[in-house]
Amino acid sequence: NAGVMQNPRHLVRRRGQEARLRCSPMKGHSHVYWYRQLPEEGLKFMVYLQKENIIDESGMPKERFSAEFPKEGPSILRIQQVVRGDSAAYFCASSRGIMNTEAFFGQGTRLTVV
Amino acid sequence: DQQVKQNSPSLSVQEGRISILNCDYTNSMFDYFLWYKKYPAEGPTFLISISSIKDKNEDGRFTVFLNKSAKHLSLHIVPSQPGDSAVYFCAASATGTGNQFYFGTGTSLTVIP
Repeated sequence: NAGVMQNPRHLVRRRGQEARLRCSPMKGHSHVYWYRQLPEEGLKFMVYLQKENIIDESGMPKERFSAEFPKEGPSILRIQQVVRGDSAAYFCASSRGIMNTEAFFGQGTRLTVV
Repeated sequence: DQQVKQNSPSLSVQEGRISILNCDYTNSMFDYFLWYKKYPAEGPTFLISISSIKDKNEDGRFTVFLNKSAKHLSLHIVPSQPGDSAVYFCAASATGTGNQFYFGTGTSLTVIP
């Protein structure tokens, strides 16, 4: 009865490197959401995906950030050429996508850019 | 544009008393509302939800009230326990907008023993 699995839990990258954050949704869930929490702030929506489709990426920065949810395998949030301001906790959630159902969150990945 | 707002960043309550956390929203299309609880260094945990066809939903010590005309919902915790100390987020979604969830900025609850 695994929940939403995110890895790694902690990720340290130097400025200019790439960060890849992985999210495996709960069994039976085909909808994935990525959120970012900056220090002392709430959860900011980034992107909403279904299998092989991006439904809403209105919260994603236009440059350096991308997300995918392939037919097989986990959802990936990719940050290229990281900067110090990317340091945050990144949370993934999944749902069945049916009307009026909750989303379940993973433990998050804490990204630190040094 | 923050569509879901939690105007109280923090709240302190004595153990055994009632905790009331408030949330306001601006989008009248929202029809499903949720509360999540978050401990430091962990992901948010789903707590309780309410559909817009109801005005109250109760689960043990937790009750959520919805006032659609005021676009306001609240979470009541009775009696409050020290283990309830956490950050509480309210969230909303609207059928037909792809099931996206909009979150408030959170209220940090401290229950004093």
